[in-house]
Amino acid sequence: DAGVIQSPRHEVTEMGQEVTLRCKPISGHDYLFWYRQTMMRGLELLIYFNNNVPIDDSGMPEDRFSAKMPNASFSTLKIQPSEPRDSAVYFCASSLVIAGGSSTDTQYFGPGTRLTVL
Amino acid sequence: RKEVEQDPGPFNVPEGATVAFNCTYSNSASQSFFWYRQDCRKEPKLLMSVYSSGNEDGRFTAQLNRASQYISLLIRDSKLSDSATYLCVVNFNAGKSTFGDGTTLTVKP
Repeated sequence: DAGVIQSPRHEVTEMGQEVTLRCKPISGHDYLFWYRQTMMRGLELLIYFNNNVPIDDSGMPEDRFSAKMPNASFSTLKIQPSEPRDSAVYFCASSLVIAGGSSTDTQYFGPGTRLTVL
Repeated sequence: RKEVEQDPGPFNVPEGATVAFNCTYSNSASQSFFWYRQDCRKEPKLLMSVYSSGNEDGRFTAQLNRASQYISLLIRDSKLSDSATYLCVVNFNAGKSTFGDGTTLTVKP
């Protein structure tokens, strides 16, 4: 298995530009998570999906951030307009639901997108 | 107070040393517990799950104390390759994990 795939791996953009991050989860996984990691705030959960449906977006910092999962094999995280304080590493992770309805909880992370907003 | 708290370290130990990390969590209804490892500029990866009875994987031993709401990770006979950041992870409900800020370990020759 190729694991969780994220693109781009690095993104440098200017303040005010739109940024779109992409994620392909592991095939068969039905939970998908978007995280942001910075030195100051650590690893923060932004939003997660179950079977393509957003379950909890309470971690999304503000309306500039939006996430979609149009199908089981693709998700996007969009920032519009971007700001310098959005600079961070953005990770996508996926996990598998086990019998009983709860996730195995073992999350497999993608390599991350390192975003720099100038 | 953070939901999951770890001593950030750094822990600097010589090869062969035994080192222990602790992690506390605030929600007594937490369901599952893990230790992840994150190397510099890499993604977090599962190191081991933590079971109520305690569990061991080679040189690594994880313990859970539900009454005191803490989790521990013991590394015996430290190797240079153990140098990394160790993240404590707690799940309060299905699908949602809360990560600690991590404890940094450096093993020196």
